[in-house]
Amino acid sequence: DIQMTQSPSTLSASVGDRVTITCRASQSISSWLAWYQQKPGKAPNLLIYKASSLESGVPSRFSGSGSGTEFTLTISSLQPDDFATYYCQQYSGYPRAFGQGTKVEIK
Amino acid sequence: EVQLLESGGGLVQPGGSLRLSCAASGFTVSTYAMTWVRRAPGKGLEWVSAIGRGGNTYYADSVKGRFTISRDNSKNTLYLQMDSLSAEDTAVYYCARTQPTGYFDLWGRGTLVTVSS
Repeated sequence: DIQMTQSPSTLSASVGDRVTITCRASQSISSWLAWYQQKPGKAPNLLIYKASSLESGVPSRFSGSGSGTEFTLTISSLQPDDFATYYCQQYSGYPRAFGQGTKVEIK
Repeated sequence: EVQLLESGGGLVQPGGSLRLSCAASGFTVSTYAMTWVRRAPGKGLEWVSAIGRGGNTYYADSVKGRFTISRDNSKNTLYLQMDSLSAEDTAVYYCARTQPTGYFDLWGRGTLVTVSS
């Protein structure tokens, strides 16, 4: 099974900061990676698919990069609405797997 | 409006059963793969099960042999039959529409399952 590892687990940042979250796969998943945002009490929301494709309606300050086993999610200028938990997910094979999540907190 | 609405959650005793439903509107479930994902209290997202457009089914090891995914095309609804429940199954369960390559582009609001005596 493919394991996904995110870092950091928690990130403290200020509005306007550039934020980067890393996700590593235990084996190559090509570009079969998605990123989701989840706020308390809400369903997850798709941000990025195929490692770097921005989902329709998602602000352009979100971007994704990487391939193989190492991926990043970048928020170019953190906004108040971005304080949430972020998850990566591989869809290269079954069972699908999520990273453990990165909580972005207000500094 | 395109949306998913889960129902069927609640309080159940250890060893008990529950069936979750996920009603789709604005699209046809039979034309997509569909997935169940859960989030236990204080933990992250966990992939649970999926059903392909052709009916192939997939399960996480943690639920294999206890959970069964299915869909009723006439009702445009996805199901998750959960048997032999334990406290470790306590979570909010989400259904998600799954794109052909495998990512989840539409999620329901979730339904809470609590397994406790």
